[in-house]
Formats: sequence, structure tokens, C-alpha cells
Amino acid sequence: QSALTQPASVSGSPGQSITISCTGTSSDVGNYNYVSWYQQRPGKAPKLMIYDVSKRPSGLSNRFSGSKSDNTASLTISGLQAEDEADYYCCSYTSTSTRYVFGTGTKVTVL
Amino acid sequence: QVQLQESGPGLVKPSGTLSLTCGVSGDSISSSRWWSWVRQPPGKGLEWIGEIYHSGNTNYNPSLKSRLTISVDKSKNQFSLKLSSVTAADTAVYYCARDLLFYSDYWGQGTLVTVSS
Repeated sequence: QSALTQPASVSGSPGQSITISCTGTSSDVGNYNYVSWYQQRPGKAPKLMIYDVSKRPSGLSNRFSGSKSDNTASLTISGLQAEDEADYYCCSYTSTSTRYVFGTGTKVTVL
Repeated sequence: QVQLQESGPGLVKPSGTLSLTCGVSGDSISSSRWWSWVRQPPGKGLEWIGEIYHSGNTNYNPSLKSRLTISVDKSKNQFSLKLSSVTAADTAVYYCARDLLFYSDYWGQGTLVTVSS
């Protein structure tokens, strides 16, 4: 089971919106609405940002939103802030024996 | 507040067995949840290792299955990971996490395990 494909880096200026893509296959992203997104700051544990493609955990800023089309899921961060600078990983349930597969990770830089 | 804490040796010799425990507070290990392990080699991405239900049912990453055992200790409200025949490729930060259906909502802080002689 190969990792889901994410761009290595995405950048934007404060206040702008950015979108991170996460491309899988019909065995994972394309066939299940079980895509989650995690934010990871340096030296810290991942933090859940989005689950079930587009749901936000309680208390999380509505600047973060998720969507999916065919085999590609996306995370959009609107009103980009300096505190959003981190690595972001997608994760999907998969029908293969691996059960869960993570994305390759995307480094978000706030210019 | 749910908290998870990994513990175990930070250094393991090649061909040895890596053993970690995840202590859980603020929730019962016997609740209707899966409990999982994820690892991250230095400077690299996340890799799903496996998960366990309080009943003892497990799911493992096929790439690790032959070397992996995940178990649960209800009396201590903790679950554990054992990975045998380790090599330098198993050097990573190991995280434990609580799973709600198909995502992990609470994570431990992570513990670095280095495989080296």
C-alpha cells in the first residue's frame, strides 16, 4: 500500500487561502468518506484538524475545511495565520490489508 | 481530559525487541474504541503500525505483521507494542493514539526509539 500523495510544500501570505491536496486510489480516498487531516508542529504530536472528509473537531477554527472529489481529498486553510505554519498529513481508511494509509505530508509556510 | 503517555527504552540493540507501553488516563481502555500505534522516522512521514480493541482484536500493518504484537492490559488501563528483530529502519518516534471510528482524536507526546549497538 503506497502512501497517499501530497505536495511537498505549500506557501501563502497572511490572510490568503491555501489548499493542500491528497491523492489516493479507489481503494482508499475514492471509495470511503474516512479521510482525516492532522497538523504537526516541530517536535509535537499530530493534532486532528478534520475527520470524515469535512468535519471539524469541537473548538477548532472554521478557517480549516475539508472536501473530496473522486480520488483526491483537499484541506483548505483560509485567512492564513503565522500559527498555521506546520506539517500537514492526510490519512484514509483503505480496503487493503493495511487498513489506514497516511499521506506523504505537506509543509505549509506562511510568507 | 483524555491523556496518553508512551513509555519504554529509548535505545534498543539491532535484532532485539522494541517494547513500548501507552498509559491511558481520562478514558477506559475498555470503552468502545480502538487504540493505535503510529511511528515517524526522523525527518520523515507518519506510518500506521496497528491497533487493538479492548477485546484483544487487532489489526496490523502487513509490512510489520510478522514482527509485531499489540496487547492490552485492562487492569492497568494501558496497551503495549512489541516489535521484534529490529533494525536501524525501525528507529522512529512512536506515538500511541485513541481512535474514534476512523480517525485518531487524542495522541501521546511520542517517544523516540533508536536502534543502535
